Amino acid sequence: SQQGEEDPQALSIQEGENATMNCSYKTSINNLQWYRQNSGRGLVHLILIRSNEREKHSGRLRVTLDTSKKSSSLLITASRAADTASYFCATDGDGANNLFFGTGTRLTVIP
Amino acid sequence: GAVVSQHPSWVICKSGTSVKIECRSLDFQATTMFWYRQFPKQSLMLMATSNEGSKATYEQGVEKDKFLINHASLTLSTLTVTSAHPEDSSFYICSAYRDPTDTQYFGPGTRLTVL
Repeated sequence: SQQGEEDPQALSIQEGENATMNCSYKTSINNLQWYRQNSGRGLVHLILIRSNEREKHSGRLRVTLDTSKKSSSLLITASRAADTASYFCATDGDGANNLFFGTGTRLTVIP
Repeated sequence: GAVVSQHPSWVICKSGTSVKIECRSLDFQATTMFWYRQFPKQSLMLMATSNEGSKATYEQGVEKDKFLINHASLTLSTLTVTSAHPEDSSFYICSAYRDPTDTQYFGPGTRLTVL
């Protein structure tokens, strides 16, 4: 299976703290994306990092990619209660336009 | 930003009936759209790739005769769940691939409940 895995499966932190989620995948990739999903809602694209990039920032988000370890991390700084959601990584491991999603990390930010 | 809509947002139907879900890219053309389903507390699973003007490509384990996909135009793909059963109850999400951004834009999802 090309499906990735996120770690941890669930994370609970206090508002203001940083949240780090990790993603591992199995095949070579062209890019890796992070998505957010509020309960029962559709996915929202957060950030894309290409295989030749090592780090990318977007607002309070920081994504790293280590292709040698086939892993990525998503860091959310200064978390807010509104950040409570599930976060998924997705890779395009087969070179086509498909996305293969990880199992997701459920983040809860306590006010 | 790019917008993808789905209709309906939720549907309840009786077992044995067929349900059609529409996925539209509102401000861009999408030669490729994808259909996913998500069971509660689980990750999205790709069901099929919908290509405009050609047959859809189904993932292993997905019944093509049960989940009919039609991508008749560059802005519309439809998923029809035929002879729905309670085990088909799920959250169905479509996405549209926008070239050359390498990004998929997701619809808001359709909650299907089969009684």
